[in-house]
Amino acid sequence: SQQGEEDPQALSIQEGENATMNCSYKTSINNLQWYRQNSGRGLVHLILIRSNEREKHSGRLRVTLDTSKKSSSLLITASRAADTASYFCATDGGYSTLTFGKGTMLLVSP
Amino acid sequence: ETGVTQSPTHLIKTRGQQVTLRCSSQSGHNTVSWYQQALGQGPQFIFQYYREEENGRGNFPPRFSGLQFPNYSSELNVNALELDDSALYLCASSPRQGMNTEAFFGQGTRLTVV
Repeated sequence: SQQGEEDPQALSIQEGENATMNCSYKTSINNLQWYRQNSGRGLVHLILIRSNEREKHSGRLRVTLDTSKKSSSLLITASRAADTASYFCATDGGYSTLTFGKGTMLLVSP
Repeated sequence: ETGVTQSPTHLIKTRGQQVTLRCSSQSGHNTVSWYQQALGQGPQFIFQYYREEENGRGNFPPRFSGLQFPNYSSELNVNALELDDSALYLCASSPRQGMNTEAFFGQGTRLTVV
């Protein structure tokens, strides 16, 4: 079963714009992770935020976590065409078993 | 590129057949998890192996089984293939079983059942 639900399902922006994706989940978590997937290939880990953290940055990525609302957001600033991919949030309830959402498809046009 | 390798990359099987997919985990990782990703969906957890023992299983029938070897590589076996088993199968390794560690994914095996 899917735990997280990403919103929107698809997002189309121009290069240089910011992209924001949201994720909601249902049960308690130890951490929440964001992954990128290009063209149905393997998943690339982007960032991990622990349940006791509220915000985390990595390069052009900013992730927030609100455990009271069971939600997270991923912000990609100054998007590039190379950021075109599907983005998934995944919750980890412990022991590194991940529960994924259905993902957001991001298209960044030059 | 992670150090996780999967083979084969693509596979076509007939309904009712059996298939074995293989995964070599990243060096030093003792935990391997398998996921099934249907087209347009997020990955679904199948099961996890830790130090050669199954340690956690998702909502998949017993015809999905696995092994982990002493070198921590792993196999996923699926018996009596059904059309709905067509999917991308992803293997992920982690440095240790526990909290707050990222997973390193292979490129996947795309299985088509006809």
